[in-house]
Amino acid sequence: KQEVTQIPAALSVPEGENLVLNCSFTDSAIYNLQWFRQDPGKGLTSLLLIQSSQREQTSGRLNASLDKSSGRSTLYIAASQPGDSATYLCAVKLTGTASKLTFGTGTRLQVTL
Amino acid sequence: NAGVTQTPKFQVLKTGQSMTLQCAQDMNHNSMYWYRQDPGMGLRLIYYSASEGTTDKGEVPNGYNVSRLNKREFSLRLESAAPSQTSVYFCASSRLPGLAGGLSSTDTQYFGPGTRLTVL
Repeated sequence: KQEVTQIPAALSVPEGENLVLNCSFTDSAIYNLQWFRQDPGKGLTSLLLIQSSQREQTSGRLNASLDKSSGRSTLYIAASQPGDSATYLCAVKLTGTASKLTFGTGTRLQVTL
Repeated sequence: NAGVTQTPKFQVLKTGQSMTLQCAQDMNHNSMYWYRQDPGMGLRLIYYSASEGTTDKGEVPNGYNVSRLNKREFSLRLESAAPSQTSVYFCASSRLPGLAGGLSSTDTQYFGPGTRLTVL
């Protein structure tokens, strides 16, 4: 059974700092990996999707990397801002499992002034 | 476009009562999903519908039923609510199910705002 772990569970950084969020998964036979953002009391917003054949994806200040062989992904946020404060979740889709995603429990990020 | 909408936003039930959570999407997506989110457990898939007319069980289907009413709408029913079903429920949709070689943009799941359900 695929297990997805995100460490740390919570993180607080001062504005302007670069930071890395971690995601690890136990089964490397993945089809893709997605990073989501969730604001308090709201639904999830997809940030980046990395196919299994890709090493990284970039969108603005966000960069996600994927290392299938080691079962790891990182989300790099450059020049953090208070508006980046949210919970960040990663989710993996195994090959041959149609549309099923397995989610991590998330990292709650707070960017302070 | 409204994206994915869910009703109601909040609901309180007594044990044994029934209710239906409604979900609709206006993006012409083929696939729709129901998840529940519990503290410390992440999101877990309850049921999904890869295309209109099909539904399949996810990780935690017990106690729930679903109906893919048409391409736009996917409802989740609790026949006899239990306190263990207290959770936040999210509906999601994606353009296509995971197809080998498919574009990544077709696989992204779009989420509704959620329904916070409390069963007393």
